Parts: sequence; C-alpha cells; structure tokens
Amino acid sequence: QQQVKQSPQSLIVQKGGISIINCAYENTAFDYFPWYQQFPGKGPALLIAIRPDVSEKKEGRFTISFNKSAKQFSLHIMDSQPGDSATYFCAARAGGGNKLTFGTGTQLKVEL
Amino acid sequence: DAGVTQSPTHLIKTRGQHVTLRCSPISGHKSVSWYQQVLGQGPQFIFQYYEKEERGRGNFPDRFSARQFPNYSSELNVNALLLGDSALYLCASSQWGGSGNTIYFGEGSWLTVV
Repeated sequence: QQQVKQSPQSLIVQKGGISIINCAYENTAFDYFPWYQQFPGKGPALLIAIRPDVSEKKEGRFTISFNKSAKQFSLHIMDSQPGDSATYFCAARAGGGNKLTFGTGTQLKVEL
Repeated sequence: DAGVTQSPTHLIKTRGQHVTLRCSPISGHKSVSWYQQVLGQGPQFIFQYYEKEERGRGNFPDRFSARQFPNYSSELNVNALLLGDSALYLCASSQWGGSGNTIYFGEGSWLTVV
C-alpha cells in the first residue's frame, strides 16, 4: 500500500522559474514531513521539513506548504537554478524514530 | 562534524553469497535505520534500531538481518543474495523521540549481485 503519493514524476523548469512538487498522504498518524534532494550516485540530503501544526515553512529558496485537512503538502523551489537539477523525494513519519515512508520521487531538470 | 558514514561504498557479489554493510551514525545519535533504494525508486524501510534493540522492521525476507552495537554503529547482513537485491543500501541516523526529530542519510553502499 503506497501511503505517500508524489507528483509529477518529472519536471522541467526554466532557470529563475518556480518548481512545484506535490505529495499526498493517507496515514493521519504521520507527524513529520521532510523533503530530500538526491543527486545521482549520492544519498538523500535533507532539504527542509515541516510538522503538521505549521502551514508553511520557508528556508532560503525552499518552501513547504502543508494542508492538514487535505492531507497534502508541497515543495516550492523559488528562482530555480541548474544546480537544483536532481531527484526530490517527499517523505513522512509516524511517531518518533527514523522510519520514513517515501514518495516515488520527482526528477527535476532546470534548463538555462 | 562527520555525517553518517557507510562502508563499503561499492561492492559486487555473486548470487547465493552473503554481504555485510556497515554504518556509523552521527555522533550523539542513538537510532539507526536501514533502507533499500532500487534504481528509479524511493528508499524502502528495512530496519530501525534504537539503543541496540530492533524497533521496527519493513516488509523484507528473513535473509535480511541487522544489529546495533554498544557504540551505536550498525551492520546490515543479507544472506543468499539474489539478483533483485542489487540496490543502493542507505543508513540513516537520528536522535529518538519527538515529532521534530531530524533524520540524516549516509551516501550509501552500492551492491551489485551478479
């Protein structure tokens, strides 16, 4: 059972544009929602994370928007740069510890 | 400060063999978990350990086992390797407890089974 659905599967954005990736979840016990960036051949690197008591969190060019009632959250990358080209994963966790349920990933390409 | 370190970075094994992968968590982190990432997919949870005890197990066969040592490092063992076990194996570390607990991943161990 896939508990975190991610879209789109791939995304092409022009340099300077806004990249938007969406995720939806089913398990209402999830209480921590991180986003990871992964470059080819590398492990996932934490970008930004949010808890469900907050509707938005911004760190630099990265913003998470969270809609608890709709069970959806999204990542916005402002002023997208070619160096942002990577695969992005949303994830969710229920309770403490480090058991994460990941989305299927979005391959982002930022073109000049 | 050192992040999550994993070894080896790459290895090739033959079907039926056994493999051991190792992980050292971030200093001060007492929880370690293991994930399998098949090419083109998101990481899938295998095991979670805290204070040397297994605290969760994903939907993987008994050929997969793990343990955590007193210094909080961990190893993942896979027996009777199959071609389908070829993947990137990731270790993650964190503190334990609290909804804001941050989880960090290592660079992974690339396993190829031939």
